[in-house]
Amino acid sequence: DTAVSQTPKYLVTQMGNDKSIKCEQNLGHDTMYWYKQDSKKFLKIMFSYNNKELIINETVPNRFSPKSPDKAHLNLHINSLELGDSAVYFCASSQALAGHNEQFFGPGTRLTVL
Amino acid sequence: ILNVEQSPQSLHVQEGDSTNFTCSFPSSNFYALHWYRWETAKSPEALFVMTLNGDEKKKGRISATLNTKEGYSYLYIKGSQPEDSATYLCASVWNQGGKLIFGQGTELSVKP
Repeated sequence: DTAVSQTPKYLVTQMGNDKSIKCEQNLGHDTMYWYKQDSKKFLKIMFSYNNKELIINETVPNRFSPKSPDKAHLNLHINSLELGDSAVYFCASSQALAGHNEQFFGPGTRLTVL
Repeated sequence: ILNVEQSPQSLHVQEGDSTNFTCSFPSSNFYALHWYRWETAKSPEALFVMTLNGDEKKKGRISATLNTKEGYSYLYIKGSQPEDSATYLCASVWNQGGKLIFGQGTELSVKP
């Protein structure tokens, strides 16, 4: 059983399109995250949710909108895709919000915008 | 600006060598330090989370130490094996509910 799963694994799309990436965790965790791996391979936090409530919202364009229908899911919707959105996006979860909880990462979604 | 720096950026060792790398972070308002192991084509996996100054953690041949006063952590691998080849990430947290700030990683390659 995959603890944190993301779909799709690869996403190739045209500029201007709208797309979603789904994330699910079966660990019973309260907190979920979206990270973007930038061109220098840094992992940078985009959003975190705790019990479906938005906690961290980094300076991400408002074309990116996370949605958490329940504790086990955190989806990422991206409107009007741009070339610069091409990256690998990772979902993660942790037992609780506190920073001493290890995070469990999904396999990543490689987004390519043409 | 909160910045986490790791050195070296990459490291090539022979099987059986012991090795270590460094993670540096601003020490004020420190809350926790995470180490993750990231194999190619896989997800990062947690190795250790440390919070206390002087903390030492060990998992098999891998161990880590933490100095929160001077703002650094060391990761040690004893008797490196080819399966230890991966990128090792550290990340620091500066308040209880704060975000993880990741370093750029140390890429370790162990040759048989």
